[in-house]
Amino acid sequence: QSVLTQPPSASGTPGQRVTISCSGSSSNIGSNYVFWYQQLPGTAPKLLIYRNNQRPSGVPDRFSGSKSGTSASLAISGLRSEDEADYYCAAWDDSLSGVFGGGTKLTVL
Amino acid sequence: EVRLVESGGGLVQPGGSLRLSCAASGFTFTSYAMHWVRQAPGKGLEYVSGISSYGHSTYYANSVKGRFTISRDDSKNTLYLQMGSLRPEDMGVFYCARGANGVDTEMVFAYWGQGTLVTVSS
Repeated sequence: QSVLTQPPSASGTPGQRVTISCSGSSSNIGSNYVFWYQQLPGTAPKLLIYRNNQRPSGVPDRFSGSKSGTSASLAISGLRSEDEADYYCAAWDDSLSGVFGGGTKLTVL
Repeated sequence: EVRLVESGGGLVQPGGSLRLSCAASGFTFTSYAMHWVRQAPGKGLEYVSGISSYGHSTYYANSVKGRFTISRDDSKNTLYLQMGSLRPEDMGVFYCARGANGVDTEMVFAYWGQGTLVTVSS
């Protein structure tokens, strides 16, 4: 069982807006930055959002992140077929280790 | 161009040992924290271990503490993970990832290797 809790699946139709939640605790999300990763099948993860809501260069502004208290969210607007992937949230934990969410499989219907 | 290339994976019996390597290039290796992340077959990402820039501090997931040792050789731009007392649940693809410049404790992995597969089975 992962330290950070994500829904196992999410779905939407092209053009829709989808949000993926990530719930943690005061020792991880509550006191550290949240990061989001996208993993396409058979490939290494890709950094999507860093420091709660910052996008690396090259990541479309359709992707946005937010954090409130011990929870965080990833929003994807204008959903596209190529967004179909697994998404993971991550944060440092004050127990001196990193933690990931269990992952959310996004299906574009 | 930043490149991370893992090696050393393979088949090992339960209780056995294995050393993974990650050869880095394209950036000032010594300035960055480095981390290992694994992914069991069909499962999610799991943080394994991290090491600070210059190697002063190390970090481990509870699941590997006491069995795995992370280290780095800045003269060779190489990250290592010595794994011992291996269990079937340690099986998976092990990725090395570049962390932050000068900050150990951020999960900001902008660059990843292709991964190396570790199989633990008799």
